[in-house]
Amino acid sequence: GQNIDQPTEMTATEGAIVQINCTYQTSGFNGLFWYQQHAGEAPTFLSYNVLDGLEEKGRFSSFLSRSKGYSYLLLKELQMKDSASYLCAVKADSWGKLQFGAGTQVVVTP
Amino acid sequence: DTEVTQTPKHLVMGMTNKKSLKCEQHMGHRAMYWYKQKAKKPPELMFVYSYEKLSINESVPSRFSPECPNSSLLNLHLHALQPEDSALYLCASSQMGVGPGNEKLFFGSGTQLSVL
Repeated sequence: GQNIDQPTEMTATEGAIVQINCTYQTSGFNGLFWYQQHAGEAPTFLSYNVLDGLEEKGRFSSFLSRSKGYSYLLLKELQMKDSASYLCAVKADSWGKLQFGAGTQVVVTP
Repeated sequence: DTEVTQTPKHLVMGMTNKKSLKCEQHMGHRAMYWYKQKAKKPPELMFVYSYEKLSINESVPSRFSPECPNSSLLNLHLHALQPEDSALYLCASSQMGVGPGNEKLFFGSGTQLSVL
């Protein structure tokens, strides 16, 4: 079956760095997405990895190792507005059919 | 315009009611999706439309009936729902075709549905 694991919750201080890990076991792999979701709002796209390595986008970076079934999202210079749920999602087979992890709730404290 | 618009934002309905959720996008996306999300859970795929045709139905009960009248609109018709169907219903759209990240989903802000 499909399995995507990420920690339930992480807490960090404003200005710090947090790394959210995601491990996956899926029948296929056609890319991994990270989404941010504030409570009661729609998920918004953060990053996409399909090849091994690091993708950097401002304060957010995402890493992928396909051989290890592993990805992480790195949030730098944390701000209070970064408090949200971060969803790891794998495109395992057909287009558009994303399998989501349960999400990691990041709490940023002053 | 990079928005997916969903209406209504909130909906309360009884188990005998019939209601519809609406979704609209003007990004030229030819794939549109319905997801269901319970509190503190990830979104779960319900339906996928590509080029206005239903291509994926994730074994969703028939009390949920999707409709895609044209390439910009997606509806979800609700009838005889159960209290356990209460959830956030998210619409999304994406491009189709080759190219990395073409399947990036743009989500609407959702309809919070309560079934009494």
